[in-house]
Amino acid sequence: QQPVQSPQAVILREGEDAVINCSSSKALYSVHWYRQKHGEAPVFLMILLKGGEQKGHEKISASFNEKKQQSSLYLTASQLSYSGTYFCGTEKPPGNTGKLIFGQGTTLQVKP
Amino acid sequence: GAVVSQHPSRVICKSGTSVKIECRSLDFQATTMFWYRQFPKQSLMLMATSNEGSKATYEQGVEKDKFLINHASLTLSTLTVTSAHPEDSSFYICSALRGQGITYEQYFGPGTRLTVT
Repeated sequence: QQPVQSPQAVILREGEDAVINCSSSKALYSVHWYRQKHGEAPVFLMILLKGGEQKGHEKISASFNEKKQQSSLYLTASQLSYSGTYFCGTEKPPGNTGKLIFGQGTTLQVKP
Repeated sequence: GAVVSQHPSRVICKSGTSVKIECRSLDFQATTMFWYRQFPKQSLMLMATSNEGSKATYEQGVEKDKFLINHASLTLSTLTVTSAHPEDSSFYICSALRGQGITYEQYFGPGTRLTVT
């Protein structure tokens, strides 16, 4: 089952914050976050493996709530370079296969 | 990050012909690679899992006789779209798995834009 991302689209001004959510109706082993710019390959941002895990990557961080079967990606003090489409990819238990089902994507546009 | 290449980046072919797309992991060995297709403004849809030395595993609804996958070595997987039709036009992206066990990362190639006329 494809995870559901929300919101579908976000428009921000530089320096503003955003949160992108990824929810699954099934139990999750891991959640992976990617950013894709138009016409390019998705770029790996981070992987969350354990319930309650939080990770940071400069001003981009994420959390994983295993019980709620959801993950959130936090973008703080957004920069123009953050524009793109963000996908979460989920892996179901028992995991360790690398096989991901991707959400429909969230388009983020950062304006000057 | 690791580098995965795809060739060609764009291809236009006539209906009924076959097209081969290559996916290479340039700086690591990948036992497992994946093939996705992506329609405009849509998500990545997993087509199949390519395993070096064994047959590919196809997702439900993907015709294995139409989308032939060969994982010839630890750095190369190929996808052949046979008897292509206009509805096969899409963006095809491969990815390669680096690492194993609980620590792995999936790196994507730049994609191949296929247009069938």
